[in-house]
Amino acid sequence: DTGVSQDPRHKITKRGQNVTFRCDPISEHNRLYWYRQTLGQGPEFLTYFQNEAQLEKSRLLSDRFSAERPKGSFSTLEIQRTEQGDSAMYLCASSYIGSNEKLFFGSGTQLSVL
Amino acid sequence: AQTVTQSQPEMSVQEAETVTLSCTYDTSESDYYLFWYKQPPSRQMILVIRQEAYKQQNATENRFSVNFQKAAKSFSLKISDSQLGDAAMYFCAYEGGSQGNLIFGKGTKLSVKP
Repeated sequence: DTGVSQDPRHKITKRGQNVTFRCDPISEHNRLYWYRQTLGQGPEFLTYFQNEAQLEKSRLLSDRFSAERPKGSFSTLEIQRTEQGDSAMYLCASSYIGSNEKLFFGSGTQLSVL
Repeated sequence: AQTVTQSQPEMSVQEAETVTLSCTYDTSESDYYLFWYKQPPSRQMILVIRQEAYKQQNATENRFSVNFQKAAKSFSLKISDSQLGDAAMYFCAYEGGSQGNLIFGKGTKLSVKP
């Protein structure tokens, strides 16, 4: 068990470009979560999946954001037409139903939009 | 809406001493979970301790313990026998009826002096 893995670790992009991040959860975990953390703040919930179903989305997740978990394993988070305000760390976490809500977090993807 | 407040942006403690980090929250729910997470420079959020609101007994994990005051909506973290490796950002988090939707405070940066 290697924990929650996120790729890439850092991403620098120009405003207006599209970016995609990947998250590989712990293998037996059926829930997967995306959070966003800006400088000086705690993480903010974006969305979560149970298996392949996206069950909840935050109002923070604008139309430019889309998340998928096609086979109930890894997940991708895409941001279209990036803006400077999208600069943040994007954290992924996973858990197993019945684990008393214990979330395991990855090390995040740091996005910088120039 | 639920909120989590950490009033101490930074704290410092001498190695082997005890330090207490404060957290207050606001909610109208009666059943919920509270957490303390540690975020070292590696950026990975690590669960330190978890408390179920229906349990009156304060949670304890080795050198870490909480003082949960439900009526006062207070949830402080006590770190005993502080070690250099305890230096990190500490986040208090609340989870109500929406599983995995954690609401985080802004964090407290803990420094440990040798």
